[in-house]
Amino acid sequence: NAGVTQTPKFQVLKTGQSMTLQCAQDMNHNSMYWYRQDPGMGLRLIYYSASEGTTDKGEVPNGYNVSRLNKREFSLRLESAAPSQTSVYFCASSEALVGTLQAYGYTFGSGTRLTVV
Amino acid sequence: QKEVEQNSGPLSVPEGAIASLNCTYSDRGSQSFFWYRQYSGKSPELIMFIYSNGDKEDGRFTAQLNKASQYVSLLIRDSQPSDSATYLCAVELYNFNKFYFGSGTKLNVKP
Repeated sequence: NAGVTQTPKFQVLKTGQSMTLQCAQDMNHNSMYWYRQDPGMGLRLIYYSASEGTTDKGEVPNGYNVSRLNKREFSLRLESAAPSQTSVYFCASSEALVGTLQAYGYTFGSGTRLTVV
Repeated sequence: QKEVEQNSGPLSVPEGAIASLNCTYSDRGSQSFFWYRQYSGKSPELIMFIYSNGDKEDGRFTAQLNKASQYVSLLIRDSQPSDSATYLCAVELYNFNKFYFGSGTKLNVKP
């Protein structure tokens, strides 16, 4: 009953370094999401994937790339980290099918606390 | 203008009282409305959701939706110290199951 698993939990990067945040879900959910959470800003959507093989930009995609490797896994890559990307990153999944009338809530991972110095 | 607005708080209520948390949204195309609870240092967890105007009750929680006025609220009856957390309002647009979150209201329930 792992739900949504994110790795790593903590990371410190130097400006310009790259890294990939990993996310996997074992609930057979269709949709997966990456959010960042900053003080006073709430959760902001970076990218999402409505189904395996598809990805779309959210509110704040600049500086990030994503890969929906298969139905279970959705990774977030920072190619050249900047201090403005210091944040807590949450992966989430949902059983929703895009375009259906009924929305479903998210199941969130435990988060990755990223600091860029 | 942000899509979803919440008062950041903190909202302080005594144990046993009713806590009322409010959220307004800007897009009339919004379809679904969710409330999440987030304890400090933890990830958000779903409390309840509402689609239709009116009230929806689940245990000590009641969600209220007024689409004409574009607000949604969460009432917590018989508040407990364990309810102390930040409450996030999330609004979904156009059936894309893509949510916009408010910045959250911090609730403190005092014993």
